[in-house]
Amino acid sequence: AQSVTQLDSHVSVSEGTPVLLRCNYSSSYSPSLFWYVQHPNKGLQLLLKYTSAATLVKGINGFEAEFKKSETSFHLTKPSAHMSDAAEYFCVVSGGQAGTALIFGKGTTLSVSS
Amino acid sequence: DTAVSQTPKYLVTQMGNDKSIKCEQNLGHDTMYWYKQDSKKFLKIMFSYNNKELIINETVPNRFSPKSPDKAHLNLHINSLELGDSAVYFCASNGRVGGNTIYFGEGSWLTVV
Repeated sequence: AQSVTQLDSHVSVSEGTPVLLRCNYSSSYSPSLFWYVQHPNKGLQLLLKYTSAATLVKGINGFEAEFKKSETSFHLTKPSAHMSDAAEYFCVVSGGQAGTALIFGKGTTLSVSS
Repeated sequence: DTAVSQTPKYLVTQMGNDKSIKCEQNLGHDTMYWYKQDSKKFLKIMFSYNNKELIINETVPNRFSPKSPDKAHLNLHINSLELGDSAVYFCASNGRVGGNTIYFGEGSWLTVV
């Protein structure tokens, strides 16, 4: 069975400082992993995905994530936070085949202060 | 061009009513999904269809009935609405072309009063 655990329900940073959103996964398959972002009252937008190619994945808006199999982690980072990054972030695992449902983490709320 | 579109975006209705949410994808994907996001923002799969056939049916009250007239459409019909059905419902799709990346619609905000 697959699952993801987002280690922080809420992260607060100041504008211009680094962002770290932590995610651990559990999967009996070689996992596909994703980060999605949801801005207030908006839909879900794909930030980036890992599908067994390069372990360091670059996404949109300056975000990146590193797949570490030994630590079963897929943490999301950004060097410098922007006010517009304030949103809900979801770490997600998939079984790896088309048609397999995504399993969502419980989300991390990112707040950015000026 | 909207890839996955769902209507209505907002719906306020009374308890006991029957309502439908429609979803269409123009990506040529084989598989479509309905997810429910509760008040704590937790997202959970409800249903999945592959080429019009039901492949995932999580523990959902049978008041919820998905209908897929063709592989580009997956509608969600809800009978006898209850207060606890208030949530955001997301339609999504994926397929061989997109790999296992799932593309989401904008969501339908359902409020039952």
